[in-house]
Amino acid sequence: QVQLQESGPGLVKPSQTLSLTCTVSGGSISSGSYSWSWIRQPAGKGLEWIGRIYTSGSTNYNPSLKSRVSISIDTSKNQFSLKLTSVTAADTAVYYCAGKYSARFDYWGQGTLVTVSS
Amino acid sequence: QSALTQPASVSGSPGQSITISCTGTSSDVGGYDYVSWYQQYPGKVPKLIIYDVSNRPSGVSNRFSGSKSGNTASLTISGLQAEDEADYYCSSYAGSSTPFGGGTKLTVL
Repeated sequence: QVQLQESGPGLVKPSQTLSLTCTVSGGSISSGSYSWSWIRQPAGKGLEWIGRIYTSGSTNYNPSLKSRVSISIDTSKNQFSLKLTSVTAADTAVYYCAGKYSARFDYWGQGTLVTVSS
Repeated sequence: QSALTQPASVSGSPGQSITISCTGTSSDVGGYDYVSWYQQYPGKVPKLIIYDVSNRPSGVSNRFSGSKSGNTASLTISGLQAEDEADYYCSSYAGSSTPFGGGTKLTVL
């Protein structure tokens, strides 16, 4: 069974860069059938898709975040990562990593709360 | 504003059926048969309950069903149970993105 686990700082200062890593276990991140996404959810609000990366390194991003987002993949470590620059309090949320097969999110990490505050 | 539009809340009594709509455009919901639905309990991880409009993953109750007409997809829960009280989100393939709906809170009266 594929499992995902997010890791990274839980507190980031305004204007700095948020960096998270997702480690995939129980399967290879290089499986050609899956792409790997980041999704976030502010407290009490809905899900927001941030972006995704394919094993090839090709990426797609939410247009509303595109200027600040970067997703990368390290197949040797079975990990993919998220960087979000120039963060503000509006970026405070639970961040999920997820494995996407076709058009559905089959696998989800447990989520990690990132708070933007000085 | 979410890319896909869902009602903020719906409610129903045990045993009844309810339907949650998810309205998009011809560039997402209406253009592809790739709508999925997720159930989320407070403080928990979302769980896939419907994919490709009307398919259920293994282990998901057959009380959950999905359909689509034009630019609107629907999730129907029949024989409503107390355990169905949760938030529900739709999502659709949209080419280079995968937007979610704003979510619908289901209350079982």
